[in-house]
Amino acid sequence: EVQLVESGGGLVQPGGSLRLSCVASGFTFSNYWMSWVRQAPGRGMEWVANIKQDGSQTHYVDSVKGRFTISRDNAKNSLYLQMSSLGAEDAAVYYCARAQYEYVWGSYNYWGQGTMVTVSS
Amino acid sequence: DIQVTQSPSSLSASVGDRVTITCRASQGITTSLAWYQLKPGKAPKLLVFGAVKLESGVPSRFSASGSGTDFTLTISSLQPEDFATYYCQHYYGTPITFGQGTRLEIK
Repeated sequence: EVQLVESGGGLVQPGGSLRLSCVASGFTFSNYWMSWVRQAPGRGMEWVANIKQDGSQTHYVDSVKGRFTISRDNAKNSLYLQMSSLGAEDAAVYYCARAQYEYVWGSYNYWGQGTMVTVSS
Repeated sequence: DIQVTQSPSSLSASVGDRVTITCRASQGITTSLAWYQLKPGKAPKLLVFGAVKLESGVPSRFSASGSGTDFTLTISSLQPEDFATYYCQHYYGTPITFGQGTRLEIK
């Protein structure tokens, strides 16, 4: 059974940093692009970033470029999102998502249950 | 960036009703569109990919159509478990964007 389990969310002050983690199981992690998607309270979903199977390519939404870094450790079946200079606009539930196929752009057929990030002083 | 405009933003319906949600892309995206169902506290669920292909295990009361810029998701006979929020998502390159969501509520 495929499982994606996020952790690392919490309360952070404006301007602060946080590192999210996602541990994958039930599939060959190193075969798939992985992504982070977020949903702010009362708002829609927003794709944040994705990373290639070997970590050699990454893409980001403009609003997080230069502040967030996506990475992975295939030996640990883990995906990460290092977030810095956090603002109120970054408060959201962050989901780890697996690409349905082994392509860079596609739908996501497996998702974690999310980890909540709150930005407040 | 390609924008996807989803409508309606909310919908009130009864069990057994037929409902349709639409998404319009700001430019042609061939069939690079997916539909998801979200329920509070649960992982998002993929319903449709490739604009018209039902994900394995999704009930046949769900159907989808469209290509290019205009897409629809239809639920033929609403069941109690279908009351949720639905999102479309394009994946025709970066950045991936989602529609604004449709909250489907019980009338």
